[in-house]
Amino acid sequence: KAGVTQTPRYLIKTRGQQVTLSCSPISGHRSVSWYQQTPGQGLQFLFEYFSETQRNKGNFPGRFSGRQFSNSRSEMNVSTLELGDSALYLCASSQRELSYNEQFFGPGTRLTVL
Amino acid sequence: QKEVEQDPGPLSVPEGAIVSLNCTYSNSAFQYFMWYRQYSRKGPELLMYTYSSGNKEDGRFTAQVDKSSKYISLFIRDSQPSDSATYLCAMSARGGSNYKLTFGKGTLLTVNP
Repeated sequence: KAGVTQTPRYLIKTRGQQVTLSCSPISGHRSVSWYQQTPGQGLQFLFEYFSETQRNKGNFPGRFSGRQFSNSRSEMNVSTLELGDSALYLCASSQRELSYNEQFFGPGTRLTVL
Repeated sequence: QKEVEQDPGPLSVPEGAIVSLNCTYSNSAFQYFMWYRQYSRKGPELLMYTYSSGNKEDGRFTAQVDKSSKYISLFIRDSQPSDSATYLCAMSARGGSNYKLTFGKGTLLTVNP
């Protein structure tokens, strides 16, 4: 069974631009969670989607948004990029919602904002 | 005070050593405790999962939770060079926004052959 895939793996953007990241969960998994990982703040929860609905949300500004499609694939969008948005963005999938002990992480998308 | 505190290390040990990794937390509502291992350029992978207090053993790994002290530990016996990675603790509670996972910043471990 294929693991969680994220595209692209690396991305370079400039301040003010927007970016869309994609996550394909493990087949049969209906929950997708997104995380931001930085050296300073560590791994922080962004949001979780289950059955195309946002179920849980972390403490990030409204510039960070997401959505989930009927095939469970998910996208995350960051608008008006800031230098501080440079990070590794990870998504994780699980079969059930709010099932954090059964999550599988993807390799992440490394975003650099110049 | 951050909700979860974890010594970032780095921690360097010789092969075969017993490794002790620890986290402290402040939110008494946390009931689910996890340890993840993250290799360089990879996503985290779940190592151990514990509900509430107590010990759990899986091969060379033992997780301990002491809720009275708000302290969790991961022990690695007979450490191997392949254990070299960043180890992250994570925890969550039941109910509402507390369901989200809160992570420690991770401890970088190097096991030297």
